[in-house]
Order: sequence, then C-alpha cells, then structure tokens
Amino acid sequence: DAKTTQPTSMDCAEGRAANLPCNHSTISGNEYVYWYRQIHSQGPQYIIHGLKNNETNEMASLIITEDRKSSTLILPHATLRDTAVYYCIVRAHFGNEKLTFGTGTRLTIIP
Amino acid sequence: GAGVSQSPSNKVTEKGKDVELRCDPISGHTALYWYRQRLGQGLEFLIYFQGNSAPDKSGLPSDRFSAERTGESVSTLTIQRTQQEDSAVYLCASSFSGGRSYNEQFFGPGTRLTVL
Repeated sequence: DAKTTQPTSMDCAEGRAANLPCNHSTISGNEYVYWYRQIHSQGPQYIIHGLKNNETNEMASLIITEDRKSSTLILPHATLRDTAVYYCIVRAHFGNEKLTFGTGTRLTIIP
Repeated sequence: GAGVSQSPSNKVTEKGKDVELRCDPISGHTALYWYRQRLGQGLEFLIYFQGNSAPDKSGLPSDRFSAERTGESVSTLTIQRTQQEDSAVYLCASSFSGGRSYNEQFFGPGTRLTVL
C-alpha cells in the first residue's frame, strides 16, 4: 500500500469548513483513497473513498488532485462532534483486506 | 444491537497470564479483522478471516498471539504469557463480502488490555 502523509493536528472553528490534506505521491493506478475517523474511545468509522473523481456523501466531500498525488477531505460545516483523529489510507480496492493506518490528523473543533 | 460487539471492554491482567478477547461481528458479515492500537498510535493489523479461507495471520507479532473464528460468527483472540508491551486497545472489525464494490469495515468499541 502506498504511504500517506498527513499533518499531525489541526484546529477548525465550529460551523466552518474543515479541510484535511493528505499526500500520497506514490499512489499507483489501482489504488483508492479512503478516509476513516476515530472519535475518542471509539473504533474507527468509515467516511468516504474515491479513485480519481471528486466524491461527496452525507458526511463529507473528497477532492483528489488530477495527478492523484494528494487529496483533501472536507467537512463542510464542522461541529464539535467532528473532533476526532482522521486517517487517510491508500490501498487497492477489491477484497476485504486489512487497512494500514498511519497516525492520522487530530482535528479539534473549536466552539 | 446491530453493531460489532467486543468483550470484555476492559481487562487488567498480570504479566505471564493468558487472556482471551471476544468479538461478535455484525450478522452476515463474512470478513473479520483484529487490530491493535497502542496509546497515541494508529491501528496495527493483526489477523483477517474471510469465510472458509485460511486466515491472513501476517500481522500477528509473535507466536504468543493466536485467533480463531467459528464459521462466520464469533472470534476469539488469545494472548499467551502476556507481556507489558501487549498493553493496548484491541479492536475487531467486520465487513460484508460481496460483489466488487468496496465493503467498509465496521469496528467494535475495542477491549482495553492492561498488563501489569
């Protein structure tokens, strides 16, 4: 699986958009970008994934650069409940294989 | 409940003792994973079960660690002769296997293991 690089921590004001970057310069053609988050004392939770097109669901949007070497997870209107560690993971799509988690970005939403 | 459940939620044991951790996956999920998370760190993959296939044990850190799964239901992770470095939160996840779309992993709340 390709390696990802994320900032260690970020703050965002409540109600504003939170933009979490991820670098994955060694991503290969068959690898997707996945985002999970882990709220304190809970197991990780799936957020979104994508290959090359931008994706949006009820939780977030995922913007992937044209060269696919980086991406941004956007929480459009952050709330205090979005405070969590956010993990960007790159891996091949198919199958039910292990996820390789880095240390992620600790996002703190400020009231 | 409909989610992944794990027991116990907390376990304190003495060094050298054996411990057994349990995971109940979501009904109908054929894939089951165990991960370990040390304090302040990301998750480390331990083992993966998929249906009747041989499990992927590539993440088990030593032969003191083993896991079993009964059919497509309960799984137990056993740690023999526990060491202090085994202290961590042990997380179980399950996912549905079907088609060629991505099947997200659903995680349980974890078991916090403390080895004294």
